[in-house]
Amino acid sequence: GAVVSQHPSWVICKSGTSVKIECRSLDFQATTMFWYRQFPKQSLMLMATSNEGSKATYEQGVEKDKFLINHASLTLSTLTVTSAHPEDSSFYICSAAGEREFGEQFFGPGTRLTVL
Amino acid sequence: GQNIDQPTEMTATEGAIVQINCTYQTSGFNGLFWYQQHAGEAPTFLSYNVLDGLEEKGRFSSFLSRSKGYSYLLLKELQMKDSASYLCAVRAGDYKLSFGAGTTVTVRA
Repeated sequence: GAVVSQHPSWVICKSGTSVKIECRSLDFQATTMFWYRQFPKQSLMLMATSNEGSKATYEQGVEKDKFLINHASLTLSTLTVTSAHPEDSSFYICSAAGEREFGEQFFGPGTRLTVL
Repeated sequence: GQNIDQPTEMTATEGAIVQINCTYQTSGFNGLFWYQQHAGEAPTFLSYNVLDGLEEKGRFSSFLSRSKGYSYLLLKELQMKDSASYLCAVRAGDYKLSFGAGTTVTVRA
């Protein structure tokens, strides 16, 4: 149980285009989903927290107009990187938290974004 | 925010024991997690501590001292597949996690 999927697993796009990443909890309802980014050999940095049906809460320094998050249902959240630039190239990971014993987060497999 | 410190790298021999330390400073402490992350993959949950003491789960054990802001992850009977990055994460509040930079463990034959 507690499987989280992400799509796509990798994407290459041109500078200036937008990219949408989907995060789904497959076998449980996720009351809260999180979006992280991770640069090589660095730890996960939380970008935003989203709850179903409400606006996402962004961490300091994360541009909400650039990283659009939609949490349409208890099993789906999407992150759209708008007008992507090479510096947005990173590993984006989502996680989902539901009603679990420890309230632990379960992570998706990640999406490798490369902006040319 | 939370200051979470853990060593950058550790190397050990197959079959040996390795202890990864993590120190933290936080307000509103609500649990400490250890995750394993293989290169290019997402983290997988290993252990959780919220009260002082040792939690044992097979070859992995995790310890917490809240008064000292200290935890360790103990890996016993190391196997080659244990080569990975180990992330210490502190929860403050309901769900939000702050991660350490990770400790890369290399297991040698």
